[in-house]
Amino acid sequence: KNQVEQSPQSLIILEGKNCTLQCNYTVSPFSNLRWYKQDTGRGPVSLTIMTFSENTKSNGRYTATLDADTKQSSLHITASQLSDSASYICVVTTQAAGNKLTFGGGTRVLVKP
Amino acid sequence: DAGVIQSPRHEVTEMGQEVTLRCKPISGHNSLFWYRQTMMRGLELLIYFNNNVPIDDSGMPEDRFSAKMPNASFSTLKIQPSEPRDSAVYFCASSLGLNTGELFFGEGSRLTVL
Repeated sequence: KNQVEQSPQSLIILEGKNCTLQCNYTVSPFSNLRWYKQDTGRGPVSLTIMTFSENTKSNGRYTATLDADTKQSSLHITASQLSDSASYICVVTTQAAGNKLTFGGGTRVLVKP
Repeated sequence: DAGVIQSPRHEVTEMGQEVTLRCKPISGHNSLFWYRQTMMRGLELLIYFNNNVPIDDSGMPEDRFSAKMPNASFSTLKIQPSEPRDSAVYFCASSLGLNTGELFFGEGSRLTVL
């Protein structure tokens, strides 16, 4: 069964600090992995996308890594800002018919001043 | 482009009433998705369309739910009759084909069924 597990479920960090979110998946065959940011009361917005051959991808202070062998990804937030407070959702696409997307449960991040 | 547009943003109704949620995808996108999000279950795919044709509706919880896409610029998700357990945020998303993997989400419709 295709699954995407994220950890931790939630975390609190101080403004200016770094943090790392984890995503483990069992989706197969793998097509790509995306990280989405969802602000409270808003729809998710794509941050990064990585295919099988990509190990790392950055978007400003967000850096995503992918280890396709261990089926793990991480999202690192550098020098966190209050605006980083949101849920971060890992989404894995399979190459199976219809390119089905499997969503993780998300990690809720709260940045405190 | 204004992005994916959903209406209403908020809906409060009583159990048994019919609810219709509306979505206008991004112009030029040929795939449209309806998702439901709750705290307990996260984001769940209900149904998706490609070129206005329903491709996979296996996520539709039961016959009370129905979705249509009469043309490339409009889709509806209908719940009849509504129940309190249908309370959730319903998101519509569109993409340029099924293969890109990038979904552009609307702002969601928050449904409360009393």
